[in-house]
Order: sequence, then structure tokens, then C-alpha cells
Amino acid sequence: AQSVTQLDSQVPVFEEAPVELRCNYSSSVSVYLFWYVQYPNQGLQLLLKYLSGSTLVESINGFEAEFNKSQTSFHLRKPSVHISDTAEYFCAVSDSRSGSEKLVFGKGTKLTVNP
Amino acid sequence: GAGVSQSPSNKVTEKGKDVELRCDPISGHTALYWYRQSLGQGLEFLIYFQGNSAPDKSGLPSDRFSAERTGGSVSTLTIQRTQQEDSAVYLCASSSRPSSYNEQFFGPGTRLTVL
Repeated sequence: AQSVTQLDSQVPVFEEAPVELRCNYSSSVSVYLFWYVQYPNQGLQLLLKYLSGSTLVESINGFEAEFNKSQTSFHLRKPSVHISDTAEYFCAVSDSRSGSEKLVFGKGTKLTVNP
Repeated sequence: GAGVSQSPSNKVTEKGKDVELRCDPISGHTALYWYRQSLGQGLEFLIYFQGNSAPDKSGLPSDRFSAERTGGSVSTLTIQRTQQEDSAVYLCASSSRPSSYNEQFFGPGTRLTVL
């Protein structure tokens, strides 16, 4: 079984400041890792994913996350945030073996970007 | 193209009544998932359908919950004898195939309130 811990339930930052949203996971098998974002009054959207290969993955809107196997972490970072990044961010894992498709989510981190 | 759709968007019911929630996945997607998003528990997996295989029901919280998927497309989640703790947003997601890469596309959810 897998579990995901998002250490911060809320993160307030000022516009143009850097941000890091922390995610740690626990699993006895290899996993795929995801960050989903939920903007106010909208559905969940995939932000970025790690499947294999390079441990640093990037999204189209400037976020990046690095898979660290030894620390079982997949922290999300952005060097300079915008007001429009205000949203709830969910880290998730899935068993990388075919046939085990469900996502296990963390409890989410609410990012609030203030002017 | 059309995304995952869910109906109703909001449902208010009285304790003890039965409810049915509907999900229309993206056309051609063979995998369908139900999740529940509640304040206390975050995002929880409920059930997973893949083609004609037996569904993975491991996330259903009690035998009051059931789901079916007709014709490999539309799915209905039924909650019998609703309780107040069933109040949550019920999310449906679909993905294109069972593979080593698991990108799920989420619907907007059904907000269920049990009075």
C-alpha cells in the first residue's frame, strides 16, 4: 500500500516569491508520482508527472518537481509565483505495475499568492 | 473534445435516502475511476473499472456504496441509506488505457450534501 504526506496544509506567499510545496510518500513498490492542481471552483488538472528517466520534471507554467528516491520525496517548486497560481495542489502516487491504476492522494496544500 | 462530465453538479438529500450519481467518461476511455473529496479525509479512491474486468472495489467505505458501468461507458455510483458523513464531492475520472502510464482526466464533481 502507498501513502502520501503533504506537510503543509496552507502556504501563503507574496507574488514573485519562490515557493516549495512538500510531498513525501511511502511505498513498498516502485511508483509513479504526480502533482495535480485544483483552481478555485474548477476540477482537478494534472500539473506534472514522474514516470521514469530524469528525476526533474517540469510543467508548462514554470513549476518543477524532483523525484528523490532516497528521501522518498517529490517536492514541487516554482522560482517566482503569480497571483494566478493560487490553488490547491495535490501530490499523488500510483503503483507503477500495470493493473494497479488507482491514485493515492495527499491531503492537499492550499497555495495563496498575495499581491 | 468533451471532457468527463458528471451529473448532477449538486445534490442535497435527507439522511436515509438513496442517491445516484452519474459519470460520462471521455469517449473511448476504457478506464473509469470514482474518488471522494471530503474535508476530513482529502481525496480517497473508491472504485475502478477497466474494460470488462471485474472492478476494483477496494476503496468503497461500506456496503451502502455500489457502482456499475454499463456498456463500458457511463457509470453510476449509488449510495443507499445516506448518512451525514457521506457529504462530500464525488469525482469521476477516466483514462485511455490500462498501461504503465496512468494519466487520469477528472470531471467537475458532484457535491453531495446529506442533511
